[in-house]
Amino acid sequence: AQSVTQLGSHVSVSEGALVLLRCNYSSSVPPYLFWYVQYPNQGLQLLLKYTSAATLVKGINGFEAEFKKSETSFHLTKPSAHMSDAAEYFCAVRYTGNQFYFGTGTSLTVIP
Amino acid sequence: DADVTQTPRNRITKTGKRIMLECSQTKGHDRMYWYRQDPGLGLRLIYYSFDVKDINKGEISDGYSVSRQAQAKFSLSLESAIPNQTALYFCATSDPGASYNEQFFGPGTRLTVL
Repeated sequence: AQSVTQLGSHVSVSEGALVLLRCNYSSSVPPYLFWYVQYPNQGLQLLLKYTSAATLVKGINGFEAEFKKSETSFHLTKPSAHMSDAAEYFCAVRYTGNQFYFGTGTSLTVIP
Repeated sequence: DADVTQTPRNRITKTGKRIMLECSQTKGHDRMYWYRQDPGLGLRLIYYSFDVKDINKGEISDGYSVSRQAQAKFSLSLESAIPNQTALYFCATSDPGASYNEQFFGPGTRLTVL
């Protein structure tokens, strides 16, 4: 079955350190790829989306993600973590058709 | 501002009760979705609707029903609530005319079934 996998349900980084959240999809045909962020007691907010125009996608709040077809990955990064980045992050894919598949989420903790 | 709203935001109910969660949107999107979120399981699709006359079951529709009253309104009902339906429920919308058809989410309803 087509799916999306997020490695690491919890990630902790120090303030100012690199953030790396991993996402892999399971299709030979590149799907539409998205990262969403969920702050406490809020809904999901679109962080960025892969548009096929470029393999490196820039999103809001300094986040970016790189599409690597050979690795079927779409990992999310941020060079320097800020306290306000603490949240739950979800990778999502949409294959042909309209249904979204969400990863199980990664909870990011930023340590002062 | 265009928005997706959900009511109520929090609900505590008892086993066996019928409850309804409501979703309204001002985005003008045709497509609407209901998800539930459980810790460690991510979001799972319950039902989705591509227009007022189109309703489809998602991954986990058992124990739920929906009603699409208008383009802007999509309600989720639990006919007889049970404790394992305790979860965070999200409504989402999308525009099929948009290039990537991303989904836009409401703030969620936290449901507790005792």
